[in-house]
Amino acid sequence: EVQLVESGGGLVKPGGSLRLSCAASGFTFSSYSMNWVRQAPGKGLEWVSSISSSSSYIYYADSVKGRFTISRDNAKNSLYLQMNSLRAEDTAVYYCAREEYLDVWGKGTTVTVSS
Amino acid sequence: QSALTQPASVSGSPGQSITISCTGTSSDVGSYNLVSWYQQHPGKAPKLMIYEVSKRPSGVSNRFSGSKSGNTASLTISGLQAEDEADYYCCSYAGVTVFGGGTKLTVL
Repeated sequence: EVQLVESGGGLVKPGGSLRLSCAASGFTFSSYSMNWVRQAPGKGLEWVSSISSSSSYIYYADSVKGRFTISRDNAKNSLYLQMNSLRAEDTAVYYCAREEYLDVWGKGTTVTVSS
Repeated sequence: QSALTQPASVSGSPGQSITISCTGTSSDVGSYNLVSWYQQHPGKAPKLMIYEVSKRPSGVSNRFSGSKSGNTASLTISGLQAEDEADYYCCSYAGVTVFGGGTKLTVL
């Protein structure tokens, strides 16, 4: 079964850091680009970042550029999002999703930025 | 990275057809056939319903169809069913990915 499982969310103070992980299974992870998408409480979907299969191409939304870093370890079938200088507006459910057209999604992990 | 424009809400009765529009620009929706649609039920992860404007993933009902004209993409749901009630999001993934604001579908 194709599956994505996010982890690493939690409560963090403004200015703090958090590292999210996404464990992939059931498909050849190294063959697919991957994405992070977030959804603030009661709001719509917001694309955060994407990384190509070999990490050659990386893109970020303007809202997180310079603060977030996406990476992957194809040997461990894992995707990561390092989030620094967190703000209240980063509070959201963070999903990892496969491929440019986001065909497979995880269930998400919740990040709350609050003092 | 401006969001695509969707109506906030649409509604229809069971058995009817509805269409949700998604308006972008000549730089995203208008230039590439890289538009997708997602269905999201409350508290659940989004589900891919349409990709590359009009292609349906395996397992998605043929009641769901997509099209595009100029800078506007559309999702049509025919034979509305109660379980279709959900939020729907369009997305352009030409280079940088951008979502629409979402449309709440109510089945009356």
